[in-house]
Amino acid sequence: AQSVTQLDSQVPVFEEAPVELRCNYSSSVSVYLFWYVQYPNQGLQLLLKYLSGSTLVKGINGFEAEFNKSQTSFHLRKPSVHISDTAEYFCAVISRGTSYGKLTFGQGTILTVHP
Amino acid sequence: DTAVSQTPKYLVTQMGNDKSIKCEQNLGHDTMYWYKQDSKKFLKIMFSYNNKELIINETVPNRFSPKSPDKAHLNLHINSLELGDSAVYFCASSPLGTSGNTIYFGEGSWLTVV
Repeated sequence: AQSVTQLDSQVPVFEEAPVELRCNYSSSVSVYLFWYVQYPNQGLQLLLKYLSGSTLVKGINGFEAEFNKSQTSFHLRKPSVHISDTAEYFCAVISRGTSYGKLTFGQGTILTVHP
Repeated sequence: DTAVSQTPKYLVTQMGNDKSIKCEQNLGHDTMYWYKQDSKKFLKIMFSYNNKELIINETVPNRFSPKSPDKAHLNLHINSLELGDSAVYFCASSPLGTSGNTIYFGEGSWLTVV
């Protein structure tokens, strides 16, 4: 069984400020990790994923995330946010191997960027 | 070109009705899914199909019946709709193989049962 906890349900931030969205997970097996973004009234879009190798992964729109195995965390960061980054962000995990798409999602973090 | 497309985007219907949501992907993927996002934005997989065959059914009531006429299509039919079925339903697809493959989501179908 797996679970994902996003530690902040809402994160307000001013434009051009840095932001970190926190994600912790629990799993009895090895997992891959993902961050998805959902803009208002739209579907989910992949921001980035960690499969193996370097624990710092870079994604689209200037986002990056760092996998920390000892802390079972996968926090998402951006050094300078824009108004257009306002959206809901979902952290997700999936068991390694063939899992037929069974992602386990966190509860989501609403990022609001203020001018 | 929309990779995963689903229709309708919005659907308002009365309790007890039967409705369908259609999904098509043009990515050549072997595996398709239905996910449900409830009113609290919690996302959970409902079904997983691989090359038209059901692989995962996450204890979804049998009022929900997915149908895959070919590997590019996965439709969701819901019988006897209940208020609790109100949610956003996302179709998705991915290549077969490692679970590290990216899952591509459609734009969602907002179902409201009144």
